[in-house]
Amino acid sequence: EVQLVESGGDLVQPGGSLRLSCAASGFTFDEYAMHWVRQAPRKGLEWVSGISWNSGTIYNVDSVKGRFTISRDNAKNSLYLQMNSLRPEDTAFYYCASSGSYYGHFDSWGQGTLVTVSS
Amino acid sequence: EIVLTQSPGTLSLSPGERATLSCRASQSVLSSYLAWYQHKPGQAPRLLIYDASNRATGVPDRFSGSGSGTDFTLTLSRLEPEDFAVYYCQQYSRSPHTFGQGTKLEIK
Repeated sequence: EVQLVESGGDLVQPGGSLRLSCAASGFTFDEYAMHWVRQAPRKGLEWVSGISWNSGTIYNVDSVKGRFTISRDNAKNSLYLQMNSLRPEDTAFYYCASSGSYYGHFDSWGQGTLVTVSS
Repeated sequence: EIVLTQSPGTLSLSPGERATLSCRASQSVLSSYLAWYQHKPGQAPRLLIYDASNRATGVPDRFSGSGSGTDFTLTLSRLEPEDFAVYYCQQYSRSPHTFGQGTKLEIK
């Protein structure tokens, strides 16, 4: 059974940092692209960042460029999102998702982890 | 960036009725790389349709997708109580892989 489990969400002050993790199991992790998607309170889904199977292709949405860094460790079956210079508008549930290729549909999702940016 | 506009914002229907959800793209979605997801509160989003018209594994055949270019449709032929949720379209033909703003399907 495919499982994606996010962790690392927390309450953090504006300007602070946080590192999210996503532990994958039940599939061949290093054959899949991975993504982070967020949902702010009372808002829709927003794709934040994506990374190809070998980290050769990485993309971040404009609102997080220069602040967030996506990475993966295929040996640990794990995906990460380093979040720096956090802003109140980054408050959201953060989901990790997998796709068979970088330009692919998101076939599996985690349950999400909550990031709250507030003083 | 490809902007996806979903309509209507909210759809109020009764179980057993037919639901038609629309997703319009600001430019052509190459290779019909468009998906539909169902999202319920407190749950992970669930893939329903990929490549515009292919049902994901385990998705009931009352869900169907159609369209190409800039206009796409998700149809639920006969609504079941568990179908009431928020539905999102997403294109993955170009980065960023944008989502529509969602259509809330609510019980009338």
